Amino acid sequence: GNSVTQMEGPVTLSEEAFLTINCTYTATGYPSLFWYVQYPGEGLQLLLKATKADDKGSNKGFEATYRKETTSFHLEKGSVQVSDSAVYFCALLRETSGSRLTFGEGTQLTVNP
Amino acid sequence: GAGVSQSPSNKVTEKGKDVELRCDPISGHTALYWYRQSLGQGLEFLIYFQGNSAPDKSGLPSDRFSAERTGGSVSTLTIQRTQQEDSAVYLCASSLGHGQPQHFGDGTRLSIL
Repeated sequence: GNSVTQMEGPVTLSEEAFLTINCTYTATGYPSLFWYVQYPGEGLQLLLKATKADDKGSNKGFEATYRKETTSFHLEKGSVQVSDSAVYFCALLRETSGSRLTFGEGTQLTVNP
Repeated sequence: GAGVSQSPSNKVTEKGKDVELRCDPISGHTALYWYRQSLGQGLEFLIYFQGNSAPDKSGLPSDRFSAERTGGSVSTLTIQRTQQEDSAVYLCASSLGHGQPQHFGDGTRLSIL
């Protein structure tokens, strides 16, 4: 079946540090890949997406590249801010799986000033 | 606002009672999804609607759970004879259609005493 594995958290960084959150997936064919962010007390917000191999999704300084050869979609940001503190979820969508999103476990990020 | 709206935001009820959770999707979104977020289980898919029909309800955990959607818009998730293990945040999402990015509401936090 489909699955997503995320780097275990929590992750604690200082402001302006470089961020990487690893995400790998297992799925047949060509899923679409997503990163969602959940700020405290809020629902999930779509951060970025990629729908085919070698696509790069980007938003708010975050980037992730769909790597089919390594089945990965790692999230990166060059310089994090305190306001980036949140839980980050990697997810995949296989249309033949009834349109359901399959999520990773989530990674808690805390950025200290 | 223009986002997915869920009500109530918080619900506390006694074990054995029935509860109804409501979701108003983004206008024009034909697809609607329910997920559950709980400690130890992460984010789990419950059910998917396309229009008023539910082609995938395989994530509903027991026959105490049901959902309906009317007029291709509002959906209600009903849990009968609630149990303590039903305590979780119930998230609703909508999308323009099958396979499109899903946009989430802020969720309903359900606590069963």
